[in-house]
Amino acid sequence: TQLLEQSPQFLSIQEGENLTVYCNSSSVFSSLQWYRQEPGEGPVLLVTVVTGGEVKKLKRLTFQFGDARKDSSLHITAAQPGDTGLYLCAFSRGAGNMLTFGGGTRLMVKP
Amino acid sequence: DAGVTQSPTHLIKTRGQQVTLRCSPKSGHDTVSWYQQALGQGPQFIFQYYEEEERQRGNFPDRFSGHQFPNYSSELNVNALLLGDSALYLCASSLSRLQETQYFGPGTRLLVL
Repeated sequence: TQLLEQSPQFLSIQEGENLTVYCNSSSVFSSLQWYRQEPGEGPVLLVTVVTGGEVKKLKRLTFQFGDARKDSSLHITAAQPGDTGLYLCAFSRGAGNMLTFGGGTRLMVKP
Repeated sequence: DAGVTQSPTHLIKTRGQQVTLRCSPKSGHDTVSWYQQALGQGPQFIFQYYEEEERQRGNFPDRFSGHQFPNYSSELNVNALLLGDSALYLCASSLSRLQETQYFGPGTRLLVL
C-alpha cells in the first residue's frame, strides 16, 4: 500500500484545457512537495506546501494543501505542451529528509 | 554552477553481474541520496550518505551498497543483478541533511537482461 496515492495515473488532454491532479493519503503530513519530471531528467521541485488549507500559485499552476494536511491537489490552467511530464507528490521524513513519493500522474498535453 | 551529474547515462548488464553508478553532487552540497525509479512508478529511496557514512536506508537488500568520497561524490553498487533491478537510478544532493530541498541528477538508466 502506497502512503501517497496519486490520481489519475494518466491524463491526456488538448492544449488550452484545464486539469487537476490529486495526491491523497490517510496520514497527516507536516508538508508535501510537488515535483515535475520530464523524460530523461530527474524530478524538479515545483513547490512545498506546509500549512493546512494553503494555496500556492506558480504561473498557471495552483497547488493546494488540504485543511487536514492529508491531501493535496495541483490545478493547471490552460495547459501547454511544455507542461507534459510526470507529476509527483512526496513527503520527507527522518533526520535526513528521506523522500517518499507517490506513483505519479503522467500528463500529456497535445498541441 | 554545475548541477548534479551522474554517469553513465545508460548501462546494459546481464543477470548476476555487478554494476557501479556514479554521482557528483551540486557544488557546495555534502549530502547524497540515491533513489530507484522503476518504469511507470515514483522514485523509491535506497540510502543516503553524509560524512562518508550511510545514514539512512530504505527497504533495499544488502546487494545494494554505496560509498561517499571526501569530495562528497558518491557511488552506488549493485551486486548479483536481477531482472527486477532494471530501473532509472537517481542521485539527489542537498546542502545538508537538515535541508529539505533535494536536487536530482538526470539518472542512470540500467537495463538487466
